Amino acid sequence: DTGVSQDPRHKITKRGQNVTFRCDPISEHNRLYWYRQTLGQGPEFLTYFQNEAQLEKSRLLSDRFSAERPKGSFSTLEIQRTEQGDSAMYLCASSLGLREWADTQYFGPGTRLTVL
Amino acid sequence: SQQGEEDPQALSIQEGENATMNCSYKTSINNLQWYRQNSGRGLVHLILIRSNEREKHSGRLRVTLDTSKKSSSLLITASRAADTASYFCATDRTVEYSGGGADGLTFGKGTHLIIQP
Repeated sequence: DTGVSQDPRHKITKRGQNVTFRCDPISEHNRLYWYRQTLGQGPEFLTYFQNEAQLEKSRLLSDRFSAERPKGSFSTLEIQRTEQGDSAMYLCASSLGLREWADTQYFGPGTRLTVL
Repeated sequence: SQQGEEDPQALSIQEGENATMNCSYKTSINNLQWYRQNSGRGLVHLILIRSNEREKHSGRLRVTLDTSKKSSSLLITASRAADTASYFCATDRTVEYSGGGADGLTFGKGTHLIIQP
């Protein structure tokens, strides 16, 4: 069990550029979640996949944010036309998702984004 | 938006003492979970308590849940320097989607715990 991995761990970009982050969940996990965490706050839920289906995306912060999980394994989170306010830690989590109720989510180390 | 509110925001105690953190939330929940986060790192899951449970233990951790008061507490006994971290409570609700009934977690702002050696 290698745990949830995220790549890159750090990303520095200039305002207006697009960035893409990758998350590899624990291999047998069906559910995958994206969160954003700013300094001094708890994580904020962004979106969620059950296998390849994106079941919740209304809480993505704006239409500049999008996520995919094309084959139900790894996922990508893209931010277009980045703004300084997008600077934050982006966390990915996964869970087994074998039953209809919520289960324990396991988090990756996060990708820290800095927008200059 | 944040649902949970941890109290206190910061707590400093001596090694060996017990640490108690509280969490209050606003809406009905399915489960409540506690996570630990060391500075600048990812979150580590500590314990999950379901809405029909009142108390749960795991090693030096004891969690209680009072759904009538919409509150939970996390007790760490015999604290160690390595327990220094931020602690978050997180709640979830069951949402009916076709194909799945889970939803993202809603976190509080956390309690920053410092254990003095």
